[in-house]
Amino acid sequence: TQLLEQSPQFLSIQEGENLTVYCNSSSVFSSLQWYRQEPGEGPVLLVTVVTGGEVKKLKRLTFQFGDARKDSSLHITAAQTGDTGLYLCAGEEGANAGKSTFGDGTTLTVKP
Amino acid sequence: NAGVTQTPKFRILKIGQSMTLQCAQDMNHNYMYWYRQDPGMGLKLIYYSVGAGITDKGEVPNGYNVSRSTTEDFPLRLELAAPSQTSVYFCASNPAGNTEAFFGQGTRLTVV
Repeated sequence: TQLLEQSPQFLSIQEGENLTVYCNSSSVFSSLQWYRQEPGEGPVLLVTVVTGGEVKKLKRLTFQFGDARKDSSLHITAAQTGDTGLYLCAGEEGANAGKSTFGDGTTLTVKP
Repeated sequence: NAGVTQTPKFRILKIGQSMTLQCAQDMNHNYMYWYRQDPGMGLKLIYYSVGAGITDKGEVPNGYNVSRSTTEDFPLRLELAAPSQTSVYFCASNPAGNTEAFFGQGTRLTVV
C-alpha cells in the first residue's frame, strides 16, 4: 500500500496551460515536501509545507498543504517547457522519525 | 562542495553476485537514506539511518543490508543479486527529518 498517492500519474499539456497535481494520504504528516526530478538526476527540493492550510508560492508554482495535513497540491500557472519533469511529494509520518517516503510521482510533459 | 557522493555510477552484476554501493556525505548530516527508483516510478525507501550506529528498515529492505559506522558513510550491500534488483539507487542525507534532503547522482545497477 502506497502511503502517499499522487495523481495524475502522467500529464501532457501545451505550453501556457495551467495544471494541478495532487498528493494524498490517509496519514497525517508533520510536513510534506515537493521535489522535481529531471532524467538522470536526483530529486531537487522545491518547497516544504509545514502548517495545515499553508500556501506557498514559488514564481509560477503554488503549493498548498491541506488543513488536516494529509494532502497537498501543486499548481503551475502558464506552464513552460522547462517545467517538464517528474514531480514527487515526500513526507515523514509523525510516529516514524527519519522514515521519509515518497509518492510515485507525476510525470509532466509540457509541449511547445 | 561535494555534497552526497555515490560510487559507482553504473554497474552490471551477474545473478548471485554481491556488491556494495558506496555513499558518502560531507555535510555532517545525521540522517541518511537509500532509495531505489524503477523506471517511471517514485522512490522506494530501502533503509535509513538517523545517526552513526543506528539503522532501520524502510519499505523494501529484503535483499539488502546497510551499516553506519561513521556519520559520513552509509554503504548499501547487495548479497546474491537478483534481476528484480535492477534499478537506479539513490542515496540522500539531511540534517534532521522533515528538512531538505540532498541526493547523490544515483547508481544505475543492472542484474543479468
